[in-house]
Amino acid sequence: QVQLQESGPGLVKPSQTLSLTCTVSGGSISSGSYYWSWIRQPAGKGLEWIGRIYTSGSTNYNPSLKSRVTISVDTSKNQFSLKLSSVTAADTAVYYCARARPTCWFDPWGQGTLVTVSS
Amino acid sequence: QSVLTQPPSVSAAPGQKVTISCSGSSSNIGNNYVSWYQQLPGTAPKLLIYDNNKRPSGIPDRFSGSKSGTSATLGITGLQTGDEADYYCGTWDSSLSAHVVFGGGTKLTVL
Repeated sequence: QVQLQESGPGLVKPSQTLSLTCTVSGGSISSGSYYWSWIRQPAGKGLEWIGRIYTSGSTNYNPSLKSRVTISVDTSKNQFSLKLSSVTAADTAVYYCARARPTCWFDPWGQGTLVTVSS
Repeated sequence: QSVLTQPPSVSAAPGQKVTISCSGSSSNIGNNYVSWYQQLPGTAPKLLIYDNNKRPSGIPDRFSGSKSGTSATLGITGLQTGDEADYYCGTWDSSLSAHVVFGGGTKLTVL
């Protein structure tokens, strides 16, 4: 079965770029009609969708983050990545990667990784 | 403020039934499929319901989903203490700035 695992720095300085990678195992990131997605959750708060990339490479982003977000895919490594620029303390959250179907349901999810923005 | 509105909390006794509502608009719930997620403390969300009312394999039939107009409902019967968790609804919003939206989450307490 497909499993996802996030990786990346747990601490990022304000104004810098947050970079995370999601490694997909148990299946090819190129197969099937899936959207590979990033979702975040600040401590004690709800889920916020960041964006997604389709197997073709096309992307969609949350309009509130669109100017700062880039999601890309590396099929040779079976990974997809998130870059969020100009971060502030408000970007501190647990970041999840997840696989989504065309009707926008997410399964499976990675375990999540906490990213703290602080100097 | 979330695009989809859920009650902040619900509670019921073990063995009882509870429903969690998710209210939206024609640009999201009204014209798109709804999914539901369970998040136990300290863990990643887990898919409970997809395409309004379908259960993934392994999800017991105590969990059900429905949709009517611009609202959706998650039902849980035969409540167990292990059902204490946060529950989220989600769907696509087809407005000009199309994107995925989630409800603010509902904390279920099994008394």
